[in-house]
Amino acid sequence: KQEVTQIPAALSVPEGENLVLNCSFTDSAIYNLQWFRQDPGKGLTSLLLIQSSQREQTSGRLNASLDKSSGRSTLYIAASQPGDSATYLCAVRRGDSGNTPLVFGKGTRLSVIA
Amino acid sequence: EAGVVQSPRYKIIEKKQPVAFWCNPISGHNTLYWYRQNLGQGPELLIRYENEEAVDDSQLPKDRFSAERLKGVDSTLKIQPAELGDSAVYLCASSGQGRETQYFGPGTRLLVL
Repeated sequence: KQEVTQIPAALSVPEGENLVLNCSFTDSAIYNLQWFRQDPGKGLTSLLLIQSSQREQTSGRLNASLDKSSGRSTLYIAASQPGDSATYLCAVRRGDSGNTPLVFGKGTRLSVIA
Repeated sequence: EAGVVQSPRYKIIEKKQPVAFWCNPISGHNTLYWYRQNLGQGPELLIRYENEEAVDDSQLPKDRFSAERLKGVDSTLKIQPAELGDSAVYLCASSGQGRETQYFGPGTRLLVL
């Protein structure tokens, strides 16, 4: 059974800092990996999707890397802003197809202090 | 493009009462998912539909939960009777054929007293 772990569970940083969120998964046979953002009382917003054959994806100040063989992914946020405060969730999809369900970690709750 | 729509946004009921949640996916999306998210946890899949067919319902507690997606568009998730442990956020998501990104609705926050 696939299990996804995210470390740290919570993180508080001053504005402007670069930071790294970690995600690990137990079964390396994944189809892809996604990072989501969840604001309080709201649904999930997809940030980045990395296919199993890829090593990283970038969007603006966000960079996600994937090391499938070791079962790890990181989300790098550059020059953090108070608006980045949210819970960040990592999810993997098993290696069947693009429509199989996601298995989520518990998330990292990020607070960026102005 | 309108996003995934869910209603109600909040629901408070007493235990043993029935409750229903409704989801309208993004237009044209064939795949629809219902997830449950407990406090401090990530979402967990309850059921997945491909058009009107439930293709993965192994995590759905079938003694009290039921779901339907008539005509392969919107979907309803029902709990009858509700228990205290059902208090959670119920999220609906959809994805298009050949597209892998899932788009999530805002969720329905259920509190069972």
